[in-house]
Amino acid sequence: TQLLEQSPQFLSIQEGENLTVYCNSSSVFSSLQWYRQEPGEGPVLLVTVVTGGEVKKLKRLTFQFGDARKDSSLHITAAQPGDTGLYLCAGALFGNEKLTFGTGTRLTIIP
Amino acid sequence: NAGVTQTPKFQVLKTGQSMTLQCAQDMNHNSMYWYRQDPGMGLRLIYYSASEGTTDKGEVPNGYNVSRLNKREFSLRLESAAPSQTSVYFCASRLRSMNTEAFFGQGTRLTVV
Repeated sequence: TQLLEQSPQFLSIQEGENLTVYCNSSSVFSSLQWYRQEPGEGPVLLVTVVTGGEVKKLKRLTFQFGDARKDSSLHITAAQPGDTGLYLCAGALFGNEKLTFGTGTRLTIIP
Repeated sequence: NAGVTQTPKFQVLKTGQSMTLQCAQDMNHNSMYWYRQDPGMGLRLIYYSASEGTTDKGEVPNGYNVSRLNKREFSLRLESAAPSQTSVYFCASRLRSMNTEAFFGQGTRLTVV
């Protein structure tokens, strides 16, 4: 079992709709990161959230770190076909360099 | 900017053969990682190295060995390949901190027949 569970695993929605992806764990993380991966490429960092309860916005993407530092969410407003990809959360426990990735959410935006 | 370089990009092995995947980074990063990614899935950590001379097991280390040759290079070895090791392998590196960005190589697509 992976330390970080993402839901949903797959999501296919129409262009213009809103969506939320979740990243959950029973462990407390020093920070959580969100990456996006395109086919044939390695993941690329979108954001890092560090403080419990923190909210960060990146254009139409809003990231939140849970108050207890065990979970995070990614909300996309007015999804566009360019948002299509595999979204991965990742985190490290306090005092540990081990970087663990979540199970992934494959997002498809239909024009 | 080379970043993280992995070789080879593609490899086909027969069951029981051995091979070494190479990874090098030119960003002076302390921590390096090896992951495998199966179709449509997230990344699973095989081994990592927090600094030169140290290596630690990740979630799925069985069947693999690693060497942190120096600060730049971190290799992954399959001693006796099995079909279950068919996957895409990614190497990553980052500065030694819990909050820094991980940079990835382009991946090695390995097929074991």
